[in-house]
Amino acid sequence: DVKVTQSSRYLVKRTGEKVFLECVQDMDHENMFWYRQDPGLGLRLIYFSYDVKMKEKGDIPEGYSVSREKKERFSLILESASTNQTSMYLCASVRGGESNTEAFFGQGTRLTVV
Amino acid sequence: LAKTTQPISMDSYEGQEVNITCSHNNIATNDYITWYQQFPSQGPRFIIQGYKTKVTNEVASLFIPADRKSSTLSLPRVSLSDTAVYYCLVGGSTSGTYKYIFGTGTRLKVLA
Repeated sequence: DVKVTQSSRYLVKRTGEKVFLECVQDMDHENMFWYRQDPGLGLRLIYFSYDVKMKEKGDIPEGYSVSREKKERFSLILESASTNQTSMYLCASVRGGESNTEAFFGQGTRLTVV
Repeated sequence: LAKTTQPISMDSYEGQEVNITCSHNNIATNDYITWYQQFPSQGPRFIIQGYKTKVTNEVASLFIPADRKSSTLSLPRVSLSDTAVYYCLVGGSTSGTYKYIFGTGTRLKVLA
């Protein structure tokens, strides 16, 4: 069965801390995504990666960076956490190739920055 | 990149058919249309995907007109457990990469 696993379900961090959110998929998918979800705003794309060491900015990359050193792992990094980064973070993966296919999501990480 | 527009919310009663329409005027030739369902505190879950005309699976139907500038998700005989947020997503492979952009979704409330 397909699986996308996010390292933490809930996380509380202090302002200014460096925060790592980890996502691992076991489907050998090429494409991986990080979204944040806030009430009334839907899912907003932060960064995505279509291959190891490759990354592209989404709609709201400011304040975030990403790392994809291995195909199965995609990390989201908050260099200096701020209270406006309190949100639900969702990771997704999609198989690559010529035809479109569905995205598989992790369970989400609810991050609170205090 | 194609953006999507959906109604913010809808109410329905149990047993009714629900149709949610999504507008995507800038859809590209290679883009597929995909719908997801999301319950509170969970990640979105795939419902159905299509490219043109009509697609049906065990949970829903997807209607796509010839110009592909909109699509309609049809949920037959909804139940209370169908209360969720439904997202229309347009995206596809461009040079082998994907960039999936979600809209704000439609919050469906099914009433008894």
